[in-house]
Amino acid sequence: GENVEQHPSTLSVQEGDSAVIKCTYSDSASNYFPWYKQELGKGPQLIIDIRSNVGEKKDQRIAVTLNKTAKHFSLHITETQPEDSAVYFCAASPARNSGYALNFGKGTSLLVTP
Amino acid sequence: NAGVTQTPKFRVLKTGQSMTLLCAQDMNHEYMYWYRQDPGMGLRLIHYSVGEGTTAKGEVPDGYNVSRLKKQNFLLGLESAAPSQTSVYFCASHTTANYGYTFGSGTRLTVV
Repeated sequence: GENVEQHPSTLSVQEGDSAVIKCTYSDSASNYFPWYKQELGKGPQLIIDIRSNVGEKKDQRIAVTLNKTAKHFSLHITETQPEDSAVYFCAASPARNSGYALNFGKGTSLLVTP
Repeated sequence: NAGVTQTPKFRVLKTGQSMTLLCAQDMNHEYMYWYRQDPGMGLRLIHYSVGEGTTAKGEVPDGYNVSRLKKQNFLLGLESAAPSQTSVYFCASHTTANYGYTFGSGTRLTVV
């Protein structure tokens, strides 16, 4: 089955700096790669996603890049703010024989210090 | 429009007791999922459903059963709770046209 690895597990940056979180996946059939943000005591919330026919996608301060050949994708947050502090999860969907079920990385705890 | 609602939010069970967690969505989504979240383990898929009346096993299905008698509801049952089932349980759903999950706020279950 699909295996998604996420690094780093913790990340601390100063306000205004950029943060990058990286994920790798194992199933070459995966074609959908979302990123979720989870604040303390809440459910994960989709912040950005990308499909396998696209190499990069941006939404204001966040962007996701995908390298299908290398089977890795990354989340980039620019001009970080304290409210960006949360746990971020990447995920991949093999999209066949699994009801589009997502396989998640183990998460990255991001701390943005003022 | 409430999105995905999970009931209850918190529960403490004794070993061997049974309970049902309810997930309800009002977005007419076809796909529904149950995940458990444990420290350092991320989110692991328990069971999922691709439509009313259908269910399938995920990565960690043992000790759980599910039912989807109505499109808007997905129930997760624990027949005989064990301490290893202490976790935070999340329900999620999405539609055929959009693979992005909408998550509920979670159920924190403690089995003593």
